Amino acid sequence: EAGVAQSPRYKIIEKRQSVAFWCNPISGHATLYWYQQILGQGPKLLIQFQNNGVVDDSQLPKDRFSAERLKGVDSTLKIQPAKLEDSAVYLCASSSNRDRGNYGYTFGSGTRLTVV
Amino acid sequence: GENVEQHPSTLSVQEGDSAVIKCTYSDSASNYFPWYKQELGKRPQLIIDIRSNVGEKKDQRIAVTLNKTAKHFSLHITETQPEDSAVYFCAASRDNAGNMLTFGGGTRLMVKP
Repeated sequence: EAGVAQSPRYKIIEKRQSVAFWCNPISGHATLYWYQQILGQGPKLLIQFQNNGVVDDSQLPKDRFSAERLKGVDSTLKIQPAKLEDSAVYLCASSSNRDRGNYGYTFGSGTRLTVV
Repeated sequence: GENVEQHPSTLSVQEGDSAVIKCTYSDSASNYFPWYKQELGKRPQLIIDIRSNVGEKKDQRIAVTLNKTAKHFSLHITETQPEDSAVYFCAASRDNAGNMLTFGGGTRLMVKP
């Protein structure tokens, strides 16, 4: 099966600019996650979707970050305006409810964001 | 919420030696504990996992042990090889709550030939 697709792979922006990331999960996976991985740290969950509804966004900095999954498939994550500390790799992952044991938890290749 | 601590942050071993990475978690309701390997510039890849109804699980040179009472679990790699060099992450979740994983801070393993 095809994996989790993310784009772009790399992005460099100036602080206060806006940026958007796109994720296409594995076909049929109902659950989609966005994680932020700062260099040298473990991934931190930003938001979790179940189909097109938000399950958990408690760690999403809502003053600047937003995410949507309008049709329950693709998702976009936006940062507006970006700060220097937003420099990180943004990982998208998806899992299938049919595999309640997390075996279907697959990461995309990530988008490396550099804010200068 | 869940908090996962991972030690050590870096580990250097000689090829052929064993490596052990340890994690502790805070949420006593967590019952699923996967380990991921992340090579430089690549995505995290699941290498092994364990559930709370099992104390130990082994897959070739990799094994994971779980102590639910103490709330800690460990990754054991035997006969290490240079290609084992990577960053390893432990994670924990309540499997029946939507599969949300909380990750440890990672361990950079370096296997010297």
